[in-house]
Amino acid sequence: QSVLTQPPSASGTPGQRVTISCSGSNSNIGSNYVYWYQQFPGTAPKLLIYRNNQRPSGVPDRISGSKSGTSTSLAISGLRSEDEADYYCATWDDSLSGPVFGGGTKLTVL
Amino acid sequence: QVQLQESGPGLVKPSETLSLTCTVSGDSVSSGSFYWGWIRQPPGKGLEWIGYIYYSGSTNYNPSLKSRVTISVDTSKNQFSLKLISVTAADTAVYFCARVLVGAAQIDYWGQGTLVTVSS
Repeated sequence: QSVLTQPPSASGTPGQRVTISCSGSNSNIGSNYVYWYQQFPGTAPKLLIYRNNQRPSGVPDRISGSKSGTSTSLAISGLRSEDEADYYCATWDDSLSGPVFGGGTKLTVL
Repeated sequence: QVQLQESGPGLVKPSETLSLTCTVSGDSVSSGSFYWGWIRQPPGKGLEWIGYIYYSGSTNYNPSLKSRVTISVDTSKNQFSLKLISVTAADTAVYFCARVLVGAAQIDYWGQGTLVTVSS
């Protein structure tokens, strides 16, 4: 059972906008920055969003993150086939003094 | 360019000890800006935080694994290591080492991951 809660799956057609939600509590999302990771099969996760809504160099601006209270979401607009991957939210947990992850969301591009 | 590389046995027998080492290049494990951590991913499942070590030697472990885990650092070799005792089939996973920003869940460098199978 993951500390952060994500839907196990999401889907959309090319060109659509898809959002993936992630919920936590006051000790984690409510008081710390949120991060999002993208993972393709057989590879290590890649940092997609940092500090709630910042994109590392190379991540397109059609990918965005937001946070409100103890919840956060990742939005991908102009969906492309190459966006099909697993997405994980993560944040620091003050009670655990360590990072916590969501269970992951498998995004399918129909 | 920072690189992390896991090494260790890919097969461990039940009840024995899993031992992995992460070799860091392009940065120093003595850096005060980062934790050096381990994360695992069972086949077909999500990411699980195992623990981290700071250059000072202080550590933090996932409570669910704390009684079985030890993470250590060797600054002379620029490596850090993971030991997990009394393994079972449930410990079968891809194990990643990672560089973690202090006080955050920001991981901008990961090892490629190594599959460890627990089986007799």
